[in-house]
Amino acid sequence: GNSVTQMEGPVTLSEEAFLTINCTYTATGYPSLFWYVQYPGEGLQLLLKATKADDKGSNKGFEATYRKETTSFHLEKGSVQVSDSAVYFCALRRFRDDKIIFGKGTRLHILP
Amino acid sequence: DVKVTQSSRYLVKRTGEKVFLECVQDMDHENMFWYRQDPGLGLRLIYFSYDVKMKEKGDIPEGYSVSREKKERFSLILESASTNQTSMYLCASSLLGTTEKLFFGSGTQLSVL
Repeated sequence: GNSVTQMEGPVTLSEEAFLTINCTYTATGYPSLFWYVQYPGEGLQLLLKATKADDKGSNKGFEATYRKETTSFHLEKGSVQVSDSAVYFCALRRFRDDKIIFGKGTRLHILP
Repeated sequence: DVKVTQSSRYLVKRTGEKVFLECVQDMDHENMFWYRQDPGLGLRLIYFSYDVKMKEKGDIPEGYSVSREKKERFSLILESASTNQTSMYLCASSLLGTTEKLFFGSGTQLSVL
């Protein structure tokens, strides 16, 4: 079936550090892939997306590249800020019914 | 900006009570969804709706029902609340044909005692 696996958290980094949050997927065909972010006390919001192999999604300094060879969609940012502290969810669009399937989430703490 | 509003931020109910969770969106979206969010399990889809009076089961519908009498409002109903339904409930909406960009409410933390 379709599923998303992302690295366990929490991830704690110092400000200006490099961030990678790993995400791999299992799916039929080549689904659209997403990263959503949930800031404290708020609902999830779409951070970036990629709809086909080798596409790179980017937003707010975050990037992720759709790698079909490794079925991965890792989230990266070159220099994190305290305001990036949040929970990050990797997700895919399930082929059979177009629904969005989420990973378990990775909590990120950025220390000043 | 799209706004998805959930009526309560925190709710405490007793086992066996009938519970209504309300969600309203103001952007004329056709699609509406209910997810529950649990630590270590992420988000799981309970029910969704593509149109007024239309509903379909998601991945974990047991113990829940929904109502969509008006386009902007989607209610989640726990017919007889149980302790294993203690969770964060998230409502979301999207335009028809664009299920990938979901707009979420800030959630209702339900505790069933």
